[in-house]
Amino acid sequence: DAGVIQSPRHEVTEMGQEVTLRCKPISGHNSLFWYRQTMMRGLELLIYFNNNVPIDDSGMPEDRFSAKMPNASFSTLKIQPSEPRDSAVYFCASSLGRWNTIYFGEGSWLTVV
Amino acid sequence: DAKTTQPTSMDCAEGRAANLPCNHSTISGNEYVYWYRQIHSQGPQYIIHGLKNNETNEMASLIITEDRKSSTLILPHATLRDTAVYYCIVRSMYSGGGADGLTFGKGTHLIIQP
Repeated sequence: DAGVIQSPRHEVTEMGQEVTLRCKPISGHNSLFWYRQTMMRGLELLIYFNNNVPIDDSGMPEDRFSAKMPNASFSTLKIQPSEPRDSAVYFCASSLGRWNTIYFGEGSWLTVV
Repeated sequence: DAKTTQPTSMDCAEGRAANLPCNHSTISGNEYVYWYRQIHSQGPQYIIHGLKNNETNEMASLIITEDRKSSTLILPHATLRDTAVYYCIVRSMYSGGGADGLTFGKGTHLIIQP
């Protein structure tokens, strides 16, 4: 079985540009999570969806960040406009049900210059 | 969710058992103990979880004390590929029991020595 698939794996962009990160959860999983990892703050939960509906976005840092889940097999995390402090690894994860084991993708490494 | 305390780093010789401790003295009755690890440049990997009984799978064993205030993750025969940051996470498993998802601390950096 394929795991959580994220794209792009690496992205370098200039400050002010729009960045879109994509995620395909494990087939059949109905909960999806977006995390961000930096050296200073570690792994932080940004937002999670249950059955395609955003349940808690309290971890989203500011209005420049938005996330959508148009269907059960696809989610996006968008940053517009991007800033250097957004440089981090962004992980998508999914689970079968909100309280079951969560499985992570390999991450999208974002560098904003 | 209850807070966990782990040593910052540990060493273990290759081929020996690696025993990683975790303190979770404020754990409540409906909270599970989860272990994940993160190998450099990869996403966190699920290892094992348990409520109060000891658990074993193909990767590791989880020993939870009777009072549930601490636990130990055991990698029975550590290899160089087990070098990673290991996270012990306490997680509520019902609505209203705390935030969904996983709250990661700083974990233990386990270094397997050849």
